[in-house]
Amino acid sequence: GIQVEQSPPDLILQEGANSTLRCNFSDSVNNLQWFHQNPWGQLINLFYIPSGTKQNGRLSATTVATERYSLLYISSSQTTDSGVYFCAVEGVYGGSQGNLIFGKGTKLSVKP
Amino acid sequence: DARVTQTPRHKVTEMGQEVTMRCQPILGHNTVFWYRQTMMQGLELLAYFRNRAPLDDSGMPKDRFSAEMPDATLATLKIQPSEPRDSAVYFCASGLLGGANYGYTFGSGTRLTVV
Repeated sequence: GIQVEQSPPDLILQEGANSTLRCNFSDSVNNLQWFHQNPWGQLINLFYIPSGTKQNGRLSATTVATERYSLLYISSSQTTDSGVYFCAVEGVYGGSQGNLIFGKGTKLSVKP
Repeated sequence: DARVTQTPRHKVTEMGQEVTMRCQPILGHNTVFWYRQTMMQGLELLAYFRNRAPLDDSGMPKDRFSAEMPDATLATLKIQPSEPRDSAVYFCASGLLGGANYGYTFGSGTRLTVV
């Protein structure tokens, strides 16, 4: 099945710093989403981005489908950005189709 | 804001008891997932439905877990009998495949503790 790798696994930032999170995937996808799991455990959908670039406030994401990676940018980080960021993909072929596979996540801690 | 509703939010039960978790997907969504999250395994897909038909439940222990969609507004996940190793957070998610796909939305989860 399709493999999803996220890096780095852990990231500690000072408030106000910028960061880039990466997601690599092993096969063609027709869905890629970035989620934020906050300290209360809620999974918040940040972006649906199987290709291209999107921006939402201080967050933006870019997916280069031909090279099988996606990047999540966080600018001017705030303590409320802390939590785990997950990348999840849905493959195009066979058993991967319709099956949303998650990476292991990047745990972000933003210090005041 | 449309949301996926899961009940109960928390459940503590004794080993051997039946547990039923419920999910109300977003109206109009045709795809429903059940995931389990643990520290060791991360987010694992248990089962998913499209247009209420089960498409894949290979992630579920079949001897004790069952997932159903009795109607378009309700998905259920049952564990019978429950075991301590089932302790986890169970998430339901829904989405619209084949339409203007904005991805999948997750519920707040059911935190299950089996003692």
